[in-house]
Amino acid sequence: GAVVSQHPSWVICKSGTSVKIECRSLDFQATTMFWYRQFPKQSLMLMATSNEGSKATYEQGVEKDKFLINHASLTLSTLTVTSAHPEDSSFYICSARDRYGGSHNEQFFGPGTRLTVL
Amino acid sequence: RKEVEQDPGPFNVPEGATVAFNCTYSNSASQSFFWYRQDCRKEPKLLMSVYSSGNEDGRFTAQLNRASQYISLLIRDSKLSDSATYLCVVTNAGNNRKLIWGLGTSLAVNP
Repeated sequence: GAVVSQHPSWVICKSGTSVKIECRSLDFQATTMFWYRQFPKQSLMLMATSNEGSKATYEQGVEKDKFLINHASLTLSTLTVTSAHPEDSSFYICSARDRYGGSHNEQFFGPGTRLTVL
Repeated sequence: RKEVEQDPGPFNVPEGATVAFNCTYSNSASQSFFWYRQDCRKEPKLLMSVYSSGNEDGRFTAQLNRASQYISLLIRDSKLSDSATYLCVVTNAGNNRKLIWGLGTSLAVNP
């Protein structure tokens, strides 16, 4: 149980295009999903917290107009990188917290999406 | 000062060795503590939660010292498959319980 999928697993695009990444909780409901970014040899950095049915909460320094998040259902959140540039190339990982998962706060991670912007 | 600090390593140990990783965190109000493992180019996977009384899961033992704001992970009888980056993670004290990640400690277990 507690499987999170991401699609696509990797994408290569030209500078200026927009890329949408999907994060799905396959066997549980997730009112909260998280989007992270990880650059090589660096730690995971939280970009935003995505709440079902409401606006995402962005971390300081993350442009909400550039990284559009939509969490329209209890099992799906999407991250759209708009007008991507080479500096946006990174490993994007989502995680989801089980709606009924209790107080221990475990997050289940998707396999990540590797974005390369040429 | 970083919120969660770890020695990045790398730690190179022979198979069968015992290895210990340490982690310190800056926010005394942090509530939950975890060790994750991340293989190269993969997502992190939860290795174990860390409880105040210390806890063990097979060859892995985690300890928490709230007074010193220090967390440790001990791996006994290390296997080649233990080679990975080990990430120390704490949750903040707010309602959203965000995960705060250390940079990770790289472990290479050699035959």
